[in-house]
Amino acid sequence: LAKTTQPISMDSYEGQEVNITCSHNNIATNDYITWYQQFPSQGPRFIIQGYKTKVTNEVASLFIPADRKSSTLSLPRVSLSDTAVYYCLVGDHVWTGRRALTFGSGTRLQVQP
Amino acid sequence: GAVVSQHPSRVICKSGTSVKIECRSLDFQATTMFWYRQFPKKSLMLMATSNEGSKATYEQGVEKDKFLINHASLTLSTLTVTSAHPEDSSFYICSARDVQGMATGELFFGEGSRLTVL
Repeated sequence: LAKTTQPISMDSYEGQEVNITCSHNNIATNDYITWYQQFPSQGPRFIIQGYKTKVTNEVASLFIPADRKSSTLSLPRVSLSDTAVYYCLVGDHVWTGRRALTFGSGTRLQVQP
Repeated sequence: GAVVSQHPSRVICKSGTSVKIECRSLDFQATTMFWYRQFPKKSLMLMATSNEGSKATYEQGVEKDKFLINHASLTLSTLTVTSAHPEDSSFYICSARDVQGMATGELFFGEGSRLTVL
């Protein structure tokens, strides 16, 4: 399984755009990149998933360069409620569903008023 | 969207007792569920993969006799912490993937169960 590296923590202010970059140098051809958000004492929550280029949904954008060795989660105009830990995961998702995902250290985002 | 539910969300028990945690997929079938453990301010650590109708697969270092996993149906997996001790106190999280919805490959997580062993 591809190992991921993320910054341990980031600080931001309300209304700013936050970009969290994740490195995954040994990503495999069949691997997808998925980001999860976790609040204290809760299970992780799916944010976004992509394979290449750019993916956007109602809460975030995911930028993936051509070599796919990194990815950037972009959160537009963060609010206090976006304070959480963000995990970047890499794995073969489009399969039978029998393989678990390995979590890295995650990035602890603190949004200040 | 698909929902995974865990019960209980919190449990406190005495040392030496056993505790069962349930994980249910509410609106989809999950042939495979995963159990994670999380210590304070740490990341999730995969404990085992639960397969419906067969034995669970445990990660290295996880005692299978300590953490009993049963996946008797397509919507229910249970984790039993046997003869619990204070060092077993942790946040346990289950997850499952809706195999029917493989287009996104989204993995759904339960709310987590916080175990405190006195």
